[in-house]
Amino acid sequence: AAGVIQSPRHLIKEKRETATLKCYPIPRHDTVYWYQQGPGQDPQFLISFYEKMQSDKGSIPDRFSAQQFSDYHSELNMSSLELGDSALYFCASSIRIYEQYFGPGTRLTVT
Amino acid sequence: QKEVEQDPGPLSVPEGAIVSLNCTYSNSAFQYFMWYRQYSRKGPELLMYTYSSGNKEDGRFTAQVDKSSKYISLFIRDSQPSDSATYLCAMRSRGGYQKVTFGIGTKLQVIP
Repeated sequence: AAGVIQSPRHLIKEKRETATLKCYPIPRHDTVYWYQQGPGQDPQFLISFYEKMQSDKGSIPDRFSAQQFSDYHSELNMSSLELGDSALYFCASSIRIYEQYFGPGTRLTVT
Repeated sequence: QKEVEQDPGPLSVPEGAIVSLNCTYSNSAFQYFMWYRQYSRKGPELLMYTYSSGNKEDGRFTAQVDKSSKYISLFIRDSQPSDSATYLCAMRSRGGYQKVTFGIGTKLQVIP
């Protein structure tokens, strides 16, 4: 069965650089969620989109922005990167309010 | 205090044992309850999804929800070394497109 696709899988950036993470949801899923997971931590919700509109917002820094496109894929844009942004970034997708399925994650390392 | 409390472990059991994993929560608005399994450096994998109080069984896994006590459990029967992973409980409110709130995860090791 098709799963959530995330790219890139690994990303190394320097401080103050910009990064863009991409997420391709499971076909026919209309809702996308972004989470950040630090080492030894639980995933922290950042932001979600339903039908290309922002549906909920969590602890997303102002330096980050995201959007969902007409083909339902989503991008998380991260600017002025800080060392503390190093983490696993997961995208999840669902059909409306139902259960969320997670992608494999993007490991971001900021040096 | 976090909305969802979960013992991080680690929990070590012998192969074949019954494993019990638990979470408590404080937000009475939580109505949907999930258990995810996460292998190291991988995305969380949905194991169980429940709404009502009571038990839900799927193969070797049983999820139990007690809303009156704000307590959920996951039981794994006949545990296998391949079950070694971190198990995250997760929950969310009803309605809208509510974010999921996770527990910190319990690290389980099943010893052959």
